[in-house]
Amino acid sequence: DVKVTQSSRYLVKRTGEKVFLECVQDMDHENMFWYRQDPGLGLRLIYFSYDVKMKEKGDIPEGYSVSREKKERFSLILESASTNQTSMYLCASSLTQDMNTEAFFGQGTRLTVV
Amino acid sequence: DQQVKQNSPSLSVQEGRISILNCDYTNSMFDYFLWYKKYPAEGPTFLISISSIKDKNEDGRFTVFLNKSAKHLSLHIVPSQPGDSAVYFCAASGDTGTASKLTFGTGTRLQVTL
Repeated sequence: DVKVTQSSRYLVKRTGEKVFLECVQDMDHENMFWYRQDPGLGLRLIYFSYDVKMKEKGDIPEGYSVSREKKERFSLILESASTNQTSMYLCASSLTQDMNTEAFFGQGTRLTVV
Repeated sequence: DQQVKQNSPSLSVQEGRISILNCDYTNSMFDYFLWYKKYPAEGPTFLISISSIKDKNEDGRFTVFLNKSAKHLSLHIVPSQPGDSAVYFCAASGDTGTASKLTFGTGTRLQVTL
């Protein structure tokens, strides 16, 4: 079974803090994604990566950055956390960009910025 | 602009009856469609998918229908069970060079009552 593991289930951070959300997958997948889920808005793509050190902006990249130094790890960084970044953050991975396949999700990180 | 739309935020169905969840899309470049199920405080789990070369795909109690001319797909669950109560997300991919990037709808909350 594919396993996507996010480092924290719940986080509370203060406005202005730098926040790191970590994600690790164990199936040698090429693609990794960060989404956020908000009520009434569904899942929105923040950033994705299809190879080590490669990254592409998704639909809502403002206020975020990412890092992919190793194939299995994809980090989401909130440079200066704000209250409007309070959300459920979901990491996902999928096999390759060369074919359509499903993405596998982690359990999510509920981030609250106070 | 919302390229994948789920116009019903919620649906209530009696146990044993059919649940029909609907999804519309606007981007004609999408060629692969998926349904995910999500319980509270968990990541989405993949249910079923369909390629644009098909109009139906079945897996046990779950069937997905695709009408390309109408840019519409639906998920049928027969018979519905209480454990099916969750939020269901429709997703689509294929509109970019990175084939596996998924665009999600806003979700439909299904409640299966006894």
